[in-house]
Amino acid sequence: DQQVKQNSPSLSVQEGRISILNCDYTNSMFDYFLWYKKYPAEGPTFLISISSIKDKNEDGRFTVFLNKSAKHLSLHIVPSQPGDSAVYFCAATTITSGTYKYIFGTGTRLKVLA
Amino acid sequence: DSGVTQTPKHLITATGQRVTLRCSPRSGDLSVYWYQQSLDQGLQFLIQYYNGEERAKGNILERFSAQQFPDLHSELNLSSLELGDSALYFCASSTRWTGYNEQFFGPGTRLTVL
Repeated sequence: DQQVKQNSPSLSVQEGRISILNCDYTNSMFDYFLWYKKYPAEGPTFLISISSIKDKNEDGRFTVFLNKSAKHLSLHIVPSQPGDSAVYFCAATTITSGTYKYIFGTGTRLKVLA
Repeated sequence: DSGVTQTPKHLITATGQRVTLRCSPRSGDLSVYWYQQSLDQGLQFLIQYYNGEERAKGNILERFSAQQFPDLHSELNLSSLELGDSALYFCASSTRWTGYNEQFFGPGTRLTVL
């Protein structure tokens, strides 16, 4: 049961345009969400996070939007740069019976074309 | 460079064998997490330790075990290896034990079981 889904395995965007990466989740108990970026042969790197009490968080070119009613999360990158080409993972956290669960999506490969 | 180190980078072994993967967290981080990433899959959370004690458990097989030592480094032991255990194994660390913080990932250990 994939509780966090990234339905687009890949996305290509022109340099300078907006990249929108999407993530859907099924567990309404998730209360903290994160986006990580991963380059080949490296570990994931934290990008941005959002608590379930907010609907938007911004950090420079990166903005995460959370729609709790739709159980949907999106990452906007504006403007997109060739260095943004990587695999992006969304992740969700919840605490159940005193223990944390960390669930990652399968990733979306973003290619920014120069 | 995240500051998290993992050894070895690559490991090739045979079915039925036992291996140990090692992780040193960032300086000052007390939490260590282990993840498995199989081909084209997301990261699957295995287990978390905080200051030497187990804090959270994910989908870790009984053939797998982990521990965190007094110097805070951690080891993941995989025994009775099967072909399906071939994967990238990531270690991550964070300062706090709660799930509501970013994790810093190492470069991973690629395990190949033949």
